[in-house]
Formats: sequence, C-alpha cells, structure tokens
Amino acid sequence: ILNVEQSPQSLHVQEGDSTNFTCSFPSSNFYALHWYRWETAKSPEALFVMTLNGDEKKKGRISATLNTKEGYSYLYIKGSQPEDSATYLCASPGGKLIFGQGTELSVKP
Amino acid sequence: DVKVTQSSRYLVKRTGEKVFLECVQDMDHENMFWYRQDPGLGLRLIYFSYDVKMKEKGDIPEGYSVSREKKERFSLILESASTNQTSMYLCASKGREFVNTQYFGPGTRLTVL
Repeated sequence: ILNVEQSPQSLHVQEGDSTNFTCSFPSSNFYALHWYRWETAKSPEALFVMTLNGDEKKKGRISATLNTKEGYSYLYIKGSQPEDSATYLCASPGGKLIFGQGTELSVKP
Repeated sequence: DVKVTQSSRYLVKRTGEKVFLECVQDMDHENMFWYRQDPGLGLRLIYFSYDVKMKEKGDIPEGYSVSREKKERFSLILESASTNQTSMYLCASKGREFVNTQYFGPGTRLTVL
C-alpha cells in the first residue's frame, strides 16, 4: 500500500519568516509527486507536479524539490505572508492519487 | 477554463433520507473521484471511477454508492443518510496520465440531522 506522509502536521510562523515542510513517499514505483494548496472555504488547487529526481519547481515565493531515490519532497516558502495560510497537501499516484494528511500553515501578521 | 461543479454548496438532510450529490466536469477527464474531508483526517477517498460505468472503492466506501452513466458526471449516493455522514464532500476529476493535475469542485457541506 502506498503511504504518503507529511510533516509537520501544523506550523505557525510570523509574517516574513521562511518555512519548509516535508512530504515522504515510497521510492519504489515512483511516477510523480503533486503539491496542492488548500485555502479555507476554497477547493484544493494544484501548485506543482514533479517527476524527475533532483527536480526543482518555483512559483513566486514558493518552491519545491524532489528526491525520488530517498522518497521525499520539500516545499519552501520564502518570506511567508498571511495569504500563504493554507493547508499544503502532497500526493503521489498509484492508480489513484494518494494524499498525505497535509501541513496546515498559519502565518501571523 | 477548467471546471468541476457540484450540485449544491450546502445541503441539510434528515437521518434515513436518500441523498444524491452530483458532480460534473467539462474537461473530458477519464478519472473522477469523491472525497470527504473531516477536521484532523485530511482528504479520504470514498469512491473513484476511471471510465463510464466503472467504479472502484476507495478507503471509506461503507454507506455510499456511486454512479457514472456519462463521462462528465459522477454521482455519490447516500442510500440512508446517517449523522456520521455529516461532512464536506469534494469531487475531483483528472486525466489518465500520472502527471495530470487533479481538479477539485467547490465542495458540498452536508449536514445530516
């Protein structure tokens, strides 16, 4: 059974802090790793899809890296802003997308 | 613009009622999913479908059934609603490839009294 785990479960930071969190997944039979952002009262929205070992993707102040050999991905947010407050989900396909539990980020002004 | 729509944003039903939640996507996606989201439990997959008339159980199928008669529409059915099915229900669709993004609907907040 494919198991996707995220840590920490929640994170509270001050505006301007940089932060990062982890997604771990089984490294065997790897196909892709998806990151989503889920803001309160909205639907989850895709951030990145990563497929290659060593891949790095960037979207504004948010970036992600991928290590398929050891089975982890990091999501970084540089200079966090209150609008970054959301739950960040990672998911890996195994026939269907298997989602982690998410990291709930709260950024205080 | 890609779109996944759900029939209701909020729904209140009574215990024992039959409930239909409808989801429609306009992206010609093969795969469609139903999740429920509860505090502290993340997204849990109820059922998914990879083609018309095909369905697969997810992690928590008990008490639910689904129907996919047309490619664009995936229905979730609560045969006899119970209070423990009070939750946020999210529908999603996705293309066939592993790298395809999953697109989510706005969600239906169901309350069973």
